[in-house]
Amino acid sequence: RKEVEQDPGPFNVPEGATVAFNCTYSNSASQSFFWYRQDCRKEPKLLMSVYSSGNEDGRFTAQLNRASQYISLLIRDSKLSDSATYLCVVNLSNTGNQFYFGTGTSLTVIP
Amino acid sequence: GAVVSQHPSWVICKSGTSVKIECRSLDFQATTMFWYRQFPKQSLMLMATSNEGSKATYEQGVEKDKFLINHASLTLSTLTVTSAHPEDSSFYICSARARPGLAGDHTQYFGPGTRLTVL
Repeated sequence: RKEVEQDPGPFNVPEGATVAFNCTYSNSASQSFFWYRQDCRKEPKLLMSVYSSGNEDGRFTAQLNRASQYISLLIRDSKLSDSATYLCVVNLSNTGNQFYFGTGTSLTVIP
Repeated sequence: GAVVSQHPSWVICKSGTSVKIECRSLDFQATTMFWYRQFPKQSLMLMATSNEGSKATYEQGVEKDKFLINHASLTLSTLTVTSAHPEDSSFYICSARARPGLAGDHTQYFGPGTRLTVL
């Protein structure tokens, strides 16, 4: 079983729509959670960390459900520039180096 | 945010040659650097983890004698692909993690990647 699983999509949504991605992780001892964004042929860039209490950054909201071992990312009022692949990343500890990447979820926002 | 650079950004070489890729953390000290490989339309695959001053830890299936990693300082790690072959053609990305104790030290910051094409 993979450490981190994501629905690869693709998600094709119209501009202005709200879209949500989920990611599940297998190790209940996981400590740190992140969403990264990767544009085509570019490196991943940190979008946001995910905290137990949930966190919001503008149109983006991330939530963590430890009981069900999943992380979500909600994008409101989608923009064309949001088109990218979104990677879910899990670290087994806050200080260790056991990072696991999901395969990514592809999002295309359509005019 | 933290900045990580990679050089070169792209390279084309003949089969059998060796290619060295540099990864630098520009505004922070990175005790740990990671090397990834990404094939088209696939996710990042961790190749190895390197800690400054010690030998790299390679993932299963990654040949340490083929992919030489050196992390000689807190701001520089190098990956050398020795005797490259066409199947080594890929997007190689490094990431760096700040020294424990700094804010956000569990975050990885990625370099822009190096696109390697072996003819």
